[in-house]
Amino acid sequence: EIVMTQSPAILSVSPGERATLSCRASQIVSTDLAWYQQRPGQAPRLLIYGASTRATGIPVRFSGSGSGTQFTLTISSLQSEDFAVYFCQQYYNWPLAFGGGTKVELK
Amino acid sequence: EVELVESGGDLVQPGRSLRLSCAAFGFTFDDYAMHWVRQVPGKGLEWVSGISWNGGSIGYADSVKGRFTISRDNAKNSLYLQMNSLRVEDMALYFCARGGRQQLVPTLFDHWGQGTLVTVSS
Repeated sequence: EIVMTQSPAILSVSPGERATLSCRASQIVSTDLAWYQQRPGQAPRLLIYGASTRATGIPVRFSGSGSGTQFTLTISSLQSEDFAVYFCQQYYNWPLAFGGGTKVELK
Repeated sequence: EVELVESGGDLVQPGRSLRLSCAAFGFTFDDYAMHWVRQVPGKGLEWVSGISWNGGSIGYADSVKGRFTISRDNAKNSLYLQMNSLRVEDMALYFCARGGRQQLVPTLFDHWGQGTLVTVSS
């Protein structure tokens, strides 16, 4: 079973600053890695798939990188609507697994 | 526009049963595998179960295997989750999510419903 670990658990950032979120897989998942954003009271929304491809309608300030076991989600200039929880998910193998999440909060 | 609407969440006692439903709109339902994902409020996400486009392939998380049954009715554009022998640890918000095209393969989820809350308590 693949375990996904996200860091940090909480990231305090000011609007306009850059945010860098990390996700590590316990085994190689190639680039079968997705990122989701979850705002309070809402369902998760797909941001990135294939480790680096933005989903439809996702702003260019969101970018993903990495392969194998180490992945990064970068938000280049944080907007007010970006304060949320972010989850990574591997879809390389069963069972599908999510990281514990990183909460991006206002500094 | 793709829309997934869950229903059926309720307060139930441990050991009892509950059936969740998910109505799908805005896409060709039988073109896609479908899944249930749950989330304890304020916590992380856990994949629960998935089903291929025709129900021919089904998978479960170990935590629910033998207790939960996923099914679908393509004529009604609906997905279901029959939950038996419920435990306190099953208490969560249950999301219906769209998977990949037709076959049940490891996949991402490109559309999610808003969730239905299952509370298990005596």
